[in-house]
Amino acid sequence: AQKITQTQPGMFVQEKEAVTLDCTYDTSDPSYGLFWYKQPSSGEMIFLIYQGSYDQQNATEGRYSLNFQKARKSANLVISASQLGDSAMYFCAMREGPNNLFFGTGTRLTVIP
Amino acid sequence: EAQVTQNPRYLITVTGKKLTVTCSQNMNHEYMSWYRQDPGLGLRQIYYSMNVEVTDKGDVPEGYKVSRKEKRNFPLILESPSPNQTSLYFCASRARGDYTDTQYFGPGTRLTVL
Repeated sequence: AQKITQTQPGMFVQEKEAVTLDCTYDTSDPSYGLFWYKQPSSGEMIFLIYQGSYDQQNATEGRYSLNFQKARKSANLVISASQLGDSAMYFCAMREGPNNLFFGTGTRLTVIP
Repeated sequence: EAQVTQNPRYLITVTGKKLTVTCSQNMNHEYMSWYRQDPGLGLRQIYYSMNVEVTDKGDVPEGYKVSRKEKRNFPLILESPSPNQTSLYFCASRARGDYTDTQYFGPGTRLTVL
């Protein structure tokens, strides 16, 4: 079974609007971390936001927030007030224990002026 | 500036010609990893290292070697590259090694094997 599932290969959003990128995960480990990364066309991987499995509140970092629904095993990324520079690939990832970081296949977000 | 560096950034080579991609971090991180990124597959871990002289296989280790002789460096070695190793490669490092640990990535190395 896939550890991380991102079901939206591509998304479009109007500039200044909010957008939600979906991510579901699969684990039986009670301790895990969830991460979102942004990959612009230049190729680098940029860390955006982190949510721990025991965190009670949803993580927020500026215009990014993580909608964490533990019972549903979902960790959706919400980007508010989209900007043209937000156009990129977005990857959801999960770590169980000390080692591997499992990545989803990514969602390509395009912001329309 | 805290960073992970990789060299070269771009490399075109031919089948069977040994190559090394270097990776260095200046954050005194204990954990380092190598990933490859292929379209539709996301990132997959090749090898990781928990400390100097401690390395282990990730999900796709075949055809690769690594070494960790110093804490800051973690080179990826392709002894006999093949076209199916054409990919975008990322080195990454992190501090503590527990599940809360944020991983920082290098800029990537785009490798083409002809």
